[in-house]
Amino acid sequence: EAGVAQSPRYKIIEKRQSVAFWCNPISGHATLYWYQQILGQGPKLLIQFQNNGVVDDSQLPKDRFSAERLKGVDSTLKIQPAKLEDSAVYLCASSLGGTTVRETQYFGPGTRLLVL
Amino acid sequence: DQQVKQNSPSLSVQEGRISILNCDYTNSMFDYFLWYKKYPAEGPTFLISISSIKDKNEDGRFTVFLNKSAKHLSLHIVPSQPGDSAVYFCAASDITSNTGKLIFGQGTTLQVKP
Repeated sequence: EAGVAQSPRYKIIEKRQSVAFWCNPISGHATLYWYQQILGQGPKLLIQFQNNGVVDDSQLPKDRFSAERLKGVDSTLKIQPAKLEDSAVYLCASSLGGTTVRETQYFGPGTRLLVL
Repeated sequence: DQQVKQNSPSLSVQEGRISILNCDYTNSMFDYFLWYKKYPAEGPTFLISISSIKDKNEDGRFTVFLNKSAKHLSLHIVPSQPGDSAVYFCAASDITSNTGKLIFGQGTTLQVKP
């Protein structure tokens, strides 16, 4: 079974530029998560989708971050404009999205972003 | 406000010995706890979990202990192997959450020396 795919793996941009990350979850997984992991910290949830609907985006900085999952499968996360403090690893995860909230989340390898 | 804390950034143990990783939490509404392991350049992978109705859960060499009164959990690895060298994250979920949102600790880097 293929895991969660993410691209690109690495990205270097200058502040005020825009950047986009792509995620393809495990086939059949209805729930998709985007996390931000700053160096020395644990992953922090940015946004959670159930199919193509947003379940939780309470910690997404909406003035500069946006995410979509139009067809309920793959997803993109965009930052525009980027700030220095956005330098982090952006992790995508997916889970089955069944009737229980106690589901295992499967993570992709992440995209490492460096903002100069 | 750090609701899940892993106060030891790193831990080094000898192969074959026990590794004990600790995690503290502040939110009394947390009722489900997980440990994830992360190798460099990879995403975290699920290791083991425990519900608040239990105080111990065991899976092979890995055991998680939960002390609800102290708001503390620990992960025991016995015996430790060099392949266990990784970053370990503790995570918790809130009983009032209908989304299964996880709150992660900062992680502890475990090094197992041959």
